[in-house]
Amino acid sequence: KAGVTQTPRYLIKTRGQQVTLSCSPISGHRSVSWYQQTPGQGLQFLFEYFSETQRNKGNFPGRFSGRQFSNSRSEMNVSTLELGDSALYLCASSFTGATRVDIQYFGAGTRLSVL
Amino acid sequence: SQQGEEDPQALSIQEGENATMNCSYKTSINNLQWYRQNSGRGLVHLILIRSNEREKHSGRLRVTLDTSKKSSSLLITASRAADTASYFCAFTSGTYKYIFGTGTRLKVLA
Repeated sequence: KAGVTQTPRYLIKTRGQQVTLSCSPISGHRSVSWYQQTPGQGLQFLFEYFSETQRNKGNFPGRFSGRQFSNSRSEMNVSTLELGDSALYLCASSFTGATRVDIQYFGAGTRLSVL
Repeated sequence: SQQGEEDPQALSIQEGENATMNCSYKTSINNLQWYRQNSGRGLVHLILIRSNEREKHSGRLRVTLDTSKKSSSLLITASRAADTASYFCAFTSGTYKYIFGTGTRLKVLA
């Protein structure tokens, strides 16, 4: 069974640009969550999607958005990039999400550097 | 903040010794999980303990949960160099959202 796949693995952008990150969950998983990881703030929850609907959102500005497609693949978009957006972005999938006793499976992450 | 707090922030031990790390949280939880992260890569699930359980074992891992003190601990016995990683607790509180601890960086010296 293939794991969670995130693309691209590395990305370099400049301030003001926008970026789209992609996540393909494990087959059969319907919940996809996104996290931002930085040395200073640790792992911060961005949002969670289930069956194409955003069910929960973390405390991030509106520049951060996402969506989920009918095949459960998800994309995350950051517009008007700032230096502080440099981080490791992690995607995790699970069967049903955090309401059940559920395990999240993580991708290897996308390392975003904003110059 | 809802974020879990872990201590110690960093731990350095010799191979063969036991490593203990602790996680504290502030809200009521549904379950608590521990994850390992190697060198800035994705997280790997280690063990899950439900809110009505007090202790759980998996191989060299032992997890305890004290809901009255809102804390959990992870014990790794007979540590190996390959256990060198960052360890995070994560819990669900409410719906659809996992909250992660600040992490403990473990270094096992050969």
